[in-house]
Amino acid sequence: DSGVTQTPKHLITATGQRVTLRCSPRSGDLSVYWYQQSLDQGLQFLIQYYNGEERAKGNILERFSAQQFPDLHSELNLSSLELGDSALYFCASSVGQDQPQHFGDGTRLSIL
Amino acid sequence: GEDVEQSLFLSVREGDSSVINCTYTDSSSTYLYWYKQEPGAGLQLLTYIFSNMDMKQDQRLTVLLNKKDKHLSLRIADTQTGDSAIYFCAESPYSGAGSYQLTFGKGTKLSVIP
Repeated sequence: DSGVTQTPKHLITATGQRVTLRCSPRSGDLSVYWYQQSLDQGLQFLIQYYNGEERAKGNILERFSAQQFPDLHSELNLSSLELGDSALYFCASSVGQDQPQHFGDGTRLSIL
Repeated sequence: GEDVEQSLFLSVREGDSSVINCTYTDSSSTYLYWYKQEPGAGLQLLTYIFSNMDMKQDQRLTVLLNKKDKHLSLRIADTQTGDSAIYFCAESPYSGAGSYQLTFGKGTKLSVIP
């Protein structure tokens, strides 16, 4: 158990819909990262927050957004969903910005 | 941009040693990582090495780092069937604003033959 909690574990929805994925980092970790894992793209970095502030953006679509709340949990919002958004979405956390990242079990998103 | 490369498949017999190799591109990474992903599961941080080290040993795992060649390897001694998984190599180059997001290889699928 990494100490990073992601909910829900599975999400099935339709094209055009909007979903919210939730992540609770390990106790004491200030940095939260979101990654997407798909068969064709592999593991790709989406976005990072540190103590409530956005610090870096990767290959994140404009339809996707995220935030980190004062209690340090984070949410990833995906809107206008397309079939190609089907993937495993991981959250990771670390104590500082250049420290080992610990991953949650992921949320598997299936778009029908 | 960054590109981490590793072979896609490795098959070994139970009890033998496994060696998974990786090449990375960015020398600014403070740490280099190995993650393990079992079927249907998340990413487990297996081990990592600080960039100023050449070797790190942790029980059955040995990580070797050759900074000159930007080559990282993971050796698993006495490989067991429970080691069957996908192993990801990752670098953490500095990307500005204090951020060090991970760049992953495509993963090496290790199959252990009983």
